[in-house]
Amino acid sequence: DTGVSQNPRHKITKRGQNVTFRCDPISEHNRLYWYRQTLGQGPEFLTYFQNEAQLEKSRLLSDRFSAERPKGSFSTLEIQRTEQGDSAMYLCASSAADRVNTGELFFGEGSRLTVL
Amino acid sequence: KNQVEQSPQSLIILEGKNCTLQCNYTVSPFSNLRWYKQDTGRGPVSLTIMTFSENTKSNGRYTATLDADTKQSSLHITASQLSDSASYICVVTPSGGSYIPTFGRGTSLIVHP
Repeated sequence: DTGVSQNPRHKITKRGQNVTFRCDPISEHNRLYWYRQTLGQGPEFLTYFQNEAQLEKSRLLSDRFSAERPKGSFSTLEIQRTEQGDSAMYLCASSAADRVNTGELFFGEGSRLTVL
Repeated sequence: KNQVEQSPQSLIILEGKNCTLQCNYTVSPFSNLRWYKQDTGRGPVSLTIMTFSENTKSNGRYTATLDADTKQSSLHITASQLSDSASYICVVTPSGGSYIPTFGRGTSLIVHP
């Protein structure tokens, strides 16, 4: 399978714990995006990378959220000191840098976070 | 602020019937508009893309329209099937800058047998 891969698919954690999600994009895609989606809402943009450079992070929801893409391949999204309001689906998407103007994103299956 | 608004929020139809979903946007300048289909618990998948100069585009039973002057788009689904039950999300990409797509809230469609 050469699509976008995310894991874990589901994560249940207690309030105050840290969680980390991983995303493996389509191999030839150098753009990688993180979105958050809550029930009944569309995906909300969080951050994106072009290769290993994080070019936009002002939309991360708080300083408890951080993302990395150390080698320009897979990416991780970490949430520290989780709160119940962090419960959501976290979606990763990738695209080829030379096709960003088409707006076509290839999404993974998402990582669903439940904070108790 | 660039926004994408969709209506209705939800829709229930009988199998075999047609339906039309609406999208209004304020994203400017505009590069393209896509409709995505998102099955429950899955990531969104692109159905159609429309650029500024295009008015209508079909993909099987899906037909998208675009009026760039009024900044409106619609997605028409013909002869609905049970597998069409999903959320349909309108996504607009600005031209220039970082080309970060803006997503609407989606229309939840339920097709009943």
